[in-house]
Amino acid sequence: DVKVTQSSRYLVKRTGEKVFLECVQDMDHENMFWYRQDPGLGLRLIYFSYDVKMKEKGDIPEGYSVSREKKERFSLILESASTNQTSMYLCASRGDYGYTFGSGTRLTVV
Amino acid sequence: GIQVEQSPPDLILQEGANSTLRCNFSDSVNNLQWFHQNPWGQLINLFYIPSGTKQNGRLSATTVATERYSLLYISSSQTTDSGVYFCAVMDSSYKLIFGSGTRLLVRP
Repeated sequence: DVKVTQSSRYLVKRTGEKVFLECVQDMDHENMFWYRQDPGLGLRLIYFSYDVKMKEKGDIPEGYSVSREKKERFSLILESASTNQTSMYLCASRGDYGYTFGSGTRLTVV
Repeated sequence: GIQVEQSPPDLILQEGANSTLRCNFSDSVNNLQWFHQNPWGQLINLFYIPSGTKQNGRLSATTVATERYSLLYISSSQTTDSGVYFCAVMDSSYKLIFGSGTRLLVRP
């Protein structure tokens, strides 16, 4: 089975901090994605990557950046965390049989 | 862009009951998946089903791509089936478009 691992289940960070959310997949997939999920707004795509060192903006990229230095790892970076970035963050990897999601990181910015 | 609609939005069942969840989509798609989001927030892949019928235990799914809908069947429901069920389709640029989900509560 494809495994997508997110480094933290819960995180609490202070406003203004630089935050790194890490995601690793073990199936050599080229495509990886970051979503955030908020009540009433559903899942929204932040950034995605088709291959190493490639990145594409999703629907809500403002306030975020990403890094894909190795195929298996896709990092989401909050340059200066703000309270409106408190959310559930979900990473996914896409293969021949669809998407697999990680277990999610619930981030609280105080 | 592609629109994905799910029904019903909410569903309450007694343990042991059967149910059918529906997903309609507005355009031809490359992929359709059903996910279950558990109370801890994890999205678990139930089916990858761009067309045809698949079964996995008490769950089965059917997609009729030509008519742009998919159905998820849950038989003999259990309390652990509670959560939100999402249908999602992949557009031509490989992005996943989610429906708004069906929130299921199974009572003991």
